[in-house]
Amino acid sequence: NAGVTQTPKFRILKIGQSMTLQCTQDMNHNYMYWYRQDPGMGLKLIYYSVGAGITDKGEVPNGYNVSRSTTEDFPLRLELAAPSQTSVYFCASSYVDRGQPQHFGDGTRLSIL
Amino acid sequence: AQSVAQPEDQVNVAEGNPLTVKCTYSVSGNPYLFWYVQYPNRGLQFLLKYITGDNLVKGSYGFEAEFNKSQTSFHLKKPSALVSDSALYFCAVRDPPGNRKLIWGLGTSLAVNP
Repeated sequence: NAGVTQTPKFRILKIGQSMTLQCTQDMNHNYMYWYRQDPGMGLKLIYYSVGAGITDKGEVPNGYNVSRSTTEDFPLRLELAAPSQTSVYFCASSYVDRGQPQHFGDGTRLSIL
Repeated sequence: AQSVAQPEDQVNVAEGNPLTVKCTYSVSGNPYLFWYVQYPNRGLQFLLKYITGDNLVKGSYGFEAEFNKSQTSFHLKKPSALVSDSALYFCAVRDPPGNRKLIWGLGTSLAVNP
């Protein structure tokens, strides 16, 4: 079972460059999430989606964009990379049932220099 | 405001001793509570949850957690710690009323010493 797959695992960007972090899940989950994790700061929600074609902002959406054209895929786009976006990014998914846990990918470690 | 607190940044325990990682919450209504573990360079893994029913819930790897409504707590416990339990532990609660998101604690680093 693949679960939640994130690519790439590591990436170094220059300031001002753009990139897309890929996330795909094979569990037919309706809900998908993007988090960033910084040391000592826990998880911050960037964007989330409750189904194909529906996205909403989380706590820290500035500098990011998302789309959800299919149930499986939820890419995260950085348009103009800034040093403050250096972080570890996690994608997660879950069923609609609020009693169900979120399932996480192994993350993308992004450095912006 | 809804919130989750993990009052200890780090917990140290000797192998074989019992361990407790603390979590308190503040949400309106009945809480849906979760514990996750994160090993180095990995994503978070679900350990256990409390939805309703018995206040003591059992989960993966021998962990359990006790829900205490009067103290608004959901502490994670294990009777006998292993070195391999060393990891980062996160408590989370569903965000009412839509319950679409989780409110996360900042995490507690558990170190089990041989």
